[in-house]
Amino acid sequence: EPEVTQTPSHQVTQMGQEVILRCVPISNHLYFYWYRQILGQKVEFLVSFYNNEISEKSEIFDDQFSVERPDGSNFTLKIRSTKLEDSAMYFCASRDRTGNTIYFGEGSWLTVV
Amino acid sequence: AQKVTQAQTEISVVEKEDVTLDCVYETRDTTYYLFWYKQPPSGELVFLIRRNSFDEQNEISGRYSWNFQKSTSSFNFTITASQVVDSAVYFCALSELSNFGNEKLTFGTGTRLTIIP
Repeated sequence: EPEVTQTPSHQVTQMGQEVILRCVPISNHLYFYWYRQILGQKVEFLVSFYNNEISEKSEIFDDQFSVERPDGSNFTLKIRSTKLEDSAMYFCASRDRTGNTIYFGEGSWLTVV
Repeated sequence: AQKVTQAQTEISVVEKEDVTLDCVYETRDTTYYLFWYKQPPSGELVFLIRRNSFDEQNEISGRYSWNFQKSTSSFNFTITASQVVDSAVYFCALSELSNFGNEKLTFGTGTRLTIIP
């Protein structure tokens, strides 16, 4: 069964460093998302991406965050200068044009020290 | 604004017991979708079910069943004959159609289910 894949599964970074989280969405999907889950809390929407541009973003997604689809398969989330409070599990997700089910990857656990 | 409430923070039951996880939602949309996701200890989010707002039929899938009641804005999830492998955090979520026919999910705070052998 097709799946969303994410790398790395876990990354530890120093505060102030840049981090790029990578995702390969399901191949025929057109809508892409990043969600975040701080440890022990609920999953929160960060950003959605369609037709090579951001279609919606939350208040969490400030200027330190950016997304990119550099080629036909990858979808990346960049945090420019990480803060301690960016420590969380980051989930990539995708959806096709007709379906309404959003499929999630296994997550990338980011620890900022 | 959309909101999903899962009032049960943690539930523990003995294996083989039935258990129901509650989900109550708020939305002003007339068309929406409701979801349940399972998050096992390994951390991934596993899709369980999607239900649209026009379909109030209950659904059964093996030991899992879902009860959607629009009148009470609830979408409850029942596991019958629970098993240890059912131990996980379960999230209820509500979708909102936004720009470009896009969709984003609003999650509840989750219910941690522990099945005691």
